[in-house]
Amino acid sequence: GESVGLHLPTLSVQEGDNSIINCAYSNSASDYFIWYKQESGKGPQFIIDIRSNMDKRQGQRVTVLLNKTVKHLSLQIAATQPGDSAVYFCAERGSRSGGSNYKLTFGKGTLLTVNP
Amino acid sequence: NAGVMQNPRHLVRRRGQEARLRCSPMKGHSHVYWYRQLPEEGLKFMVYLQKENIIDESGMPKERFSAEFPKEGPSILRIQQVVRGDSAAYFCASSPLLEGHNEQFFGPGTRLTVL
Repeated sequence: GESVGLHLPTLSVQEGDNSIINCAYSNSASDYFIWYKQESGKGPQFIIDIRSNMDKRQGQRVTVLLNKTVKHLSLQIAATQPGDSAVYFCAERGSRSGGSNYKLTFGKGTLLTVNP
Repeated sequence: NAGVMQNPRHLVRRRGQEARLRCSPMKGHSHVYWYRQLPEEGLKFMVYLQKENIIDESGMPKERFSAEFPKEGPSILRIQQVVRGDSAAYFCASSPLLEGHNEQFFGPGTRLTVL
């Protein structure tokens, strides 16, 4: 069935380094992707999103790259800080024509640990 | 502007009891979604509701689970005769409109433990 998954379950970086978290998806009909950050004991927090008609989008210290050819999504965090330590999920939402443009499909998550 | 609110934050039930989880969406939001998260896994869609309507419950088990979003008051996720496998974190999200790519805002979750 359709799924969204991650290549690396854990990532440990030094404070100040750049972090890259990867995600693979299998539903080629998906037209909207979101990255969420989840801290321990809290709900997912929106970080950045990207539509399928784009291949790159930048936010504050974060960049999302979308490669539709290989169905790959990545989140880049610049100058990673201890406060960035959390589990990061990519999520995909179906296209409107598919009738499920509200249902989010989440990957398993990557635990990012930032060492001071 | 308060975010999505869920209560209780933690709920302990014995097998066979009922669990009621409440979700108050953000002000102005009329769309509510419930997701379940097992330990070390991503969130799994359960149900999507609008006021007084269940739009999609395809992710919700057919037995023992039900959801509602009444005209007045919070959305309720109800689990009857809980079993240990129901232990999980249950998250509610809300959004203002379906049109366009509207962000879903998540609540802090209810952590259900079934003894």
